Amino acid sequence: GAVVSQHPSRVICKSGTSVKIECRSLDFQATTMFWYRQFPKQSLMLMATSNEGSKATYEQGVEKDKFLINHASLTLSTLTVTSAHPEDSSFYICSADRGLEETQYFGPGTRLLVL
Amino acid sequence: EDQVTQSPEALRLQEGESSSLNCSYTVSGLRGLFWYRQDPGKGPEFLFTLYSAGEEKEKERLKATLTKKESFLHITAPKPEDSATYLCAVRAARDDKIIFGKGTRLHILP
Repeated sequence: GAVVSQHPSRVICKSGTSVKIECRSLDFQATTMFWYRQFPKQSLMLMATSNEGSKATYEQGVEKDKFLINHASLTLSTLTVTSAHPEDSSFYICSADRGLEETQYFGPGTRLLVL
Repeated sequence: EDQVTQSPEALRLQEGESSSLNCSYTVSGLRGLFWYRQDPGKGPEFLFTLYSAGEEKEKERLKATLTKKESFLHITAPKPEDSATYLCAVRAARDDKIIFGKGTRLHILP
């Protein structure tokens, strides 16, 4: 149990376009989902916390107008990178809180490359 | 400030050579310490949660231990398939956020 999926796994886009990444909890309901960003050989950096039915909470330094998060249901959260630029290229990972224990379960990640 | 420091950054071992990875932490009220395994280009895979000093958990060749200041991930007789980056993280009671260390890149040579 505790499976989290992400789609797409890889995406290449042109500078200035927007990209949407989906995060789904497949076998449980997640009241809270998290979005992370990871650069090569670096740790995971929390971008925002997404609660179902309410606005996301963004970490300091993360632009909420650039990284739009929607948590429309207990099994789906989306991250939209608006007007993407090459510096937005990174590995984006979501996780979901099952609520039964303290840990989070992670998706497989989405590799974004902005040309 | 809550923080997590992992050492060493990278470790190369021969197959069968046991060792330990360290995770030192400072946190205002520990709600849990977590170990994850991450393979290249993939999301972290949950391994263990530890809650209080003295607690230990095992899974196959891995054993995690916890003290008030640090945690160790012991790897006994590792195999090449154990090669991965091992991440340590803590959840703070103050703000409920999970803070990750930078990880230890483990390479097991056949």
